[in-house]
Amino acid sequence: DVKVTQSSRYLVKRTGEKVFLECVQDMDHENMFWYRQDPGLGLRLIYFSYDVKMKEKGDIPEGYSVSREKKERFSLILESASTNQTSMYLCASGTQLAFFGQGTRLTVV
Amino acid sequence: GESVGLHLPTLSVQEGDNSIINCAYSNSASDYFIWYKQESGKGPQFIIDIRSNMDKRQGQRVTVLLNKTVKHLSLQIAATQPGDSAVYFCAENTGNTPLVFGKGTRLSVIA
Repeated sequence: DVKVTQSSRYLVKRTGEKVFLECVQDMDHENMFWYRQDPGLGLRLIYFSYDVKMKEKGDIPEGYSVSREKKERFSLILESASTNQTSMYLCASGTQLAFFGQGTRLTVV
Repeated sequence: GESVGLHLPTLSVQEGDNSIINCAYSNSASDYFIWYKQESGKGPQFIIDIRSNMDKRQGQRVTVLLNKTVKHLSLQIAATQPGDSAVYFCAENTGNTPLVFGKGTRLSVIA
């Protein structure tokens, strides 16, 4: 079975903190993705990566950055967390078919 | 169908009945389509997929229909069970591009 693991299920951070969300996949996929999910807005793409050290902006990259130092790991970084970044964050990996992690519910207070 | 704004479309179905969830996709160049199921507090889970060279694909209790002429995708669930209660998303892409998701439909099964 494909496994995509996100480091935290729930996270509470303070405004202005730097936040790291980690994601690891075990299927040797080249493509990895970060989405955020908000009620009524569906899944919106933040960043994606097609290979190690490569990154591409998605639809809503502002306020975020990413790191892909190893093929199996894709990190999402909130440089200075703000309350409007309170959301469910979903990591995925795969080619055309993407497999998702269990999600990280981040609350910024 | 897919939602506009903050309210998720909801489909309520009696246990044992068939469910049909619809999706209008946006890109006529899309060649791959997926249905995902998302239960509360979990990540989306793959249900079934279909390529653009097909118009129907069946799985266990689920069927996906694709109408490229009107850019419409549907998911049919036979004999709906309480465990089918979830939010269902359609997604599309072409080649190696990231998936684009619909806004989802909430399915509620009435026991």
